[in-house]
Amino acid sequence: NAGVTQTPKFRVLKTGQSMTLLCAQDMNHEYMYWYRQDPGMGLRLIHYSVGEGTTAKGEVPDGYNVSRLKKQNFLLGLESAAPSQTSVYFCASRTDSNEQFFGPGTRLTVL
Amino acid sequence: AQKVTQAQTEISVVEKEDVTLDCVYETRDTTYYLFWYKQPPSGELVFLIRRNSFDEQNEISGRYSWNFQKSTSSFNFTITASQVVDSAVYFCALSPLFSGGYNKLIFGAGTRLAVHP
Repeated sequence: NAGVTQTPKFRVLKTGQSMTLLCAQDMNHEYMYWYRQDPGMGLRLIHYSVGEGTTAKGEVPDGYNVSRLKKQNFLLGLESAAPSQTSVYFCASRTDSNEQFFGPGTRLTVL
Repeated sequence: AQKVTQAQTEISVVEKEDVTLDCVYETRDTTYYLFWYKQPPSGELVFLIRRNSFDEQNEISGRYSWNFQKSTSSFNFTITASQVVDSAVYFCALSPLFSGGYNKLIFGAGTRLAVHP
């Protein structure tokens, strides 16, 4: 039981490049979330999913897209990376009783 | 408005001191959860406690204790006899159950605790 895993752990992009962050969970959770963490701030919700095939916008969705083709995977895409997207990205999933499990994070730098 | 305020940006203590981290929240929901997470220098988020809005009993877990007071919308966290390993950023978070219907976590900005030997 690996919990929530994220790939990659680190990435450096140039402005305008695209990439996909992968989140996987093996706990059969319906709800999954993508957050970003910026210095001096708590985590902010980017997008979330309430089940396979569904996604919705959170607080700061601009510049990101997501997909939930399989229940265990939640992908976060950056189509054209910008320096403002330099951040640490956390994925989370939760149980029906609202226990939230976080992945280890992905540190992304956009030059 | 749904909001979590951690007014203490940084706290510095000497080992074995007791320290309290403050958390004040705002929500229009009557049913919600409150959380505390620890983020050590390694960067991962470590779950510490979850409390629902109907349970105002204080909780103690080893050197950690939590004081939940609905009357003041506060959920404060106390570390007794602090240790160097307690050095981390601590986040308080709110999860309203019905607003938005998706149980997102609303985080405070965090309190950086430095425990010196």
